[in-house]
Amino acid sequence: EIVMTQSPATLSVSPGERATLSCRASQSVSSNLAWYQQKPGQAPRLLIYGASTRATGIPARFSGSGSGTEFTLTISSLQSEDFAVYYCQQYNNWPPALTFGGGTKVEIK
Amino acid sequence: QVQLVQSGAEVKKPGASVKVSCKASGYTFTSYGISWVRQAPGQGLEWMGWISAYNGNTNYAQKLQGRVTMTTDTSTSTAYMELRSLRSDDTAVYYCARGGSYPIDYWGQGTLVTVSS
Repeated sequence: EIVMTQSPATLSVSPGERATLSCRASQSVSSNLAWYQQKPGQAPRLLIYGASTRATGIPARFSGSGSGTEFTLTISSLQSEDFAVYYCQQYNNWPPALTFGGGTKVEIK
Repeated sequence: QVQLVQSGAEVKKPGASVKVSCKASGYTFTSYGISWVRQAPGQGLEWMGWISAYNGNTNYAQKLQGRVTMTTDTSTSTAYMELRSLRSDDTAVYYCARGGSYPIDYWGQGTLVTVSS
């Protein structure tokens, strides 16, 4: 099983500042990496897939980078609606055997 | 528009079974797989398994092997997830989602399953 490790567990950021979230895979997942945002009481929402492609309707302040085992999600200028929990997830296997990271909570500083 | 609408909340006793449904609309059901993901209270996301809506092939998370069964009914564009021998640590919100071999792009609204004596 591919293990996904996210850091930090919690990130305290002021509105307007940049947030950088990390995700590491225990083995290469190529670029088969997605990022999701989840707010309390809601289902997750796809932000980034293919490690760096924004999903439909996702603002340009969200960007993803990396390949292989090291990935980063950057939020360039945090807005109030961006405070949430973020998960990375790999989808590199066939048949599908997805794994999620433990999540990073982005909170208001 | 793509929608995944799940069945309502359930309360079950330990040892019982639960079957959650997920009705898809807005796309060709057999063109995409369905994954099931659960989230225990205050915890992260856990992938449970995947089913191909095209041919019914499945792949389950190892820790749930033997207790979970995923099926589809293509005539009604509905996916089902049955979990047996329920324990208290199965208490969670259960999500169906479109995707598996590609990114999960649409999610159901979630179904709360509470296991309590």
